[in-house]
Amino acid sequence: ETGVTQTPRHLVMGMTNKKSLKCEQHLGHNAMYWYKQSAKKPLELMFVYSLEERVENNSVPSRFSPECPNSSHLFLHLHTLQPEDSALYLCASSQEISYGAYGYTFGSGTRLTVV
Amino acid sequence: QKEVEQDPGPLSVPEGAIVSLNCTYSNSAFQYFMWYRQYSRKGPELLMYTYSSGNKEDGRFTAQVDKSSKYISLFIRDSQPSDSATYLCAVNLGRGSNYQLIWGAGTKLIIKP
Repeated sequence: ETGVTQTPRHLVMGMTNKKSLKCEQHLGHNAMYWYKQSAKKPLELMFVYSLEERVENNSVPSRFSPECPNSSHLFLHLHTLQPEDSALYLCASSQEISYGAYGYTFGSGTRLTVV
Repeated sequence: QKEVEQDPGPLSVPEGAIVSLNCTYSNSAFQYFMWYRQYSRKGPELLMYTYSSGNKEDGRFTAQVDKSSKYISLFIRDSQPSDSATYLCAVNLGRGSNYQLIWGAGTKLIIKP
């Protein structure tokens, strides 16, 4: 494990379901991120939190709703998703938000399939 | 034009070969250059980062940045089957609070025993 744990590892959900992805980091980092990874595409930054405050929302549809209750935990709440939302969802953390230039620590991701 | 271009591969080479992975970028203001390795069913892990131009070596891996050509490379010497993975390049402005990484799409590398 990298110090960033994501659950579940796999998720299949119907278009009308509501589910949540969970991310926990044990590194004492202050910044956390949600990324979407689709095949043969660059990583897409979805949300950024610094000290539990959202600082970035990259035009993500409202069917994705993030929550950061404390600096160690990050959630991504999902509802009424579309098949094109099927992807690998990655959580990452960094020491400080400005330290992103020195690298992020990623979790293993949640493979989401929308049917 | 994409900000970072990376050939998706796959790139298949025999064990022991020297591997060259490359990215080009469009914005000359980028200052930080990173390579991540992603194994199947895992998240990316930082392999190397370089500030500005020049080379950086870590064991069998060498990262090279040519800012005049806006070209970054990762060389792997004496490649091993365990190096089989997808390699992602990423760049960053590195100024102030501009934390966003700009990513390439990744190159899948296969090392044949």
